Amino acid sequence: KNEVEQSPQNLTAQEGEFITINCSYSVGISALHWLQQHPGGGIVSLFMLSSGKKKHGRLIATINIQEKHSSLHITASHPRDSAVYICAAVRSGSRLTFGEGTQLTVNP
Amino acid sequence: SAVISQKPSRDICQRGTSLTIQCQVDSQVTMMFWYRQQPGQSLTLIATANQGSEATYESGFVIDKFPISRPNLTFSTLTVSNMSPEDSSIYLCSVSEATRGQFFGPGTRLTVL
Repeated sequence: KNEVEQSPQNLTAQEGEFITINCSYSVGISALHWLQQHPGGGIVSLFMLSSGKKKHGRLIATINIQEKHSSLHITASHPRDSAVYICAAVRSGSRLTFGEGTQLTVNP
Repeated sequence: SAVISQKPSRDICQRGTSLTIQCQVDSQVTMMFWYRQQPGQSLTLIATANQGSEATYESGFVIDKFPISRPNLTFSTLTVSNMSPEDSSIYLCSVSEATRGQFFGPGTRLTVL
């Protein structure tokens, strides 16, 4: 069993749909990142959170420390949101352990 | 946020050779890391690059295969030694800022023939 697990692995949506990607972890963490990776390989951190909820534009991330679970929501999805989304647990020494990623495709 | 550059952006190498990847940051940072992303896989931490001392390697990675230098707080190199096709991956460096999290370089796409 992976220390950080994501679901679903692949997700196809129609433009405008509400999207949820889930992440569960089984290790102690100080925080959790949600990352976005585009086809060229570049990785951007969307959120780093250690409790509660953060919102940036159409993106919302939540974390429940007791349940060791985090979710990334995208409201009013758009084709430009198509990318791989990765959750990453922040371990001791700021080292990251990554989930397998979720390939999101949003069709017009 | 820190701006990170990597050289080369991509390379095609012959098996048995070595490649050194450079990572340059536009500000001084304490924590710097090297990651590998094999085709179709997620990222895996190779090592933490420590300034002025030997890198700290994760399980499954050794200094002889992936020697790392960190001569100052803005620069690091990762060498992939004695390459085989299994080393074909994207290699990324990242830096950590205490309150803002991690920032990633653009990656080096390596193909080993």
